[in-house]
Amino acid sequence: AQKITQTQPGMFVQEKEAVTLDCTYDTSDQSYGLFWYKQPSSGEMIFLIYQGSYDEQNATEGRYSLNFQKARKSANLVISASQLGDSAMYFCAMSHSGGYQKVTFGIGTKLQVIP
Amino acid sequence: ETGVTQSPTHLIKTRGQQVTLRCSSQSGHNTVSWYQQALGQGPQFIFQYYREEENGRGNFPPRFSGLQFPNYSSELNVNALELDDSALYLCASSLQGYTEAFFGQGTRLTVV
Repeated sequence: AQKITQTQPGMFVQEKEAVTLDCTYDTSDQSYGLFWYKQPSSGEMIFLIYQGSYDEQNATEGRYSLNFQKARKSANLVISASQLGDSAMYFCAMSHSGGYQKVTFGIGTKLQVIP
Repeated sequence: ETGVTQSPTHLIKTRGQQVTLRCSSQSGHNTVSWYQQALGQGPQFIFQYYREEENGRGNFPPRFSGLQFPNYSSELNVNALELDDSALYLCASSLQGYTEAFFGQGTRLTVV
């Protein structure tokens, strides 16, 4: 069975600073995908970034980058130059295969950006 | 803003009743996944529909059932509602074989 662990219930970061949100995972699959989503208080899940298990380069999307360390089974999200609008819940998730299949989510980290 | 819409946005039901939640998928997407998100938890995978067939199911009892229509929109049906079914229900629209998925805004179900 797949498992996602997010050990930081809440994080604070100063505006314009960088922040790292931790995520470790466990799976017996050889092929899998790792996602990060943002969930504002409105409830909608917003896709941020994706990393395939066979991708050798770390994924980047604008201010978001995914620090993928396969041997350690970690997939940390780095947000650079934090903005007030980044305050939200952040979820790490994993799919069973390279596509979008049976996605397992972690419990989330609440990020608060301080002016 | 995604093209995925869910209805209704809020719903209150009594224990033992039945409920139907609806999801319209993003244009061009053929797969819909449903999730239950209890308060303070991450979303839990319920099931996925691809081309009108169930294509994977999480650890939910049979009273959770679904449908997908030829236009790829989908319904989630829950029978014999229990208090623990109170949650935010999210649907995600995707194209089979691709990694991108778009979520709707969710339906918040309260069972009293």
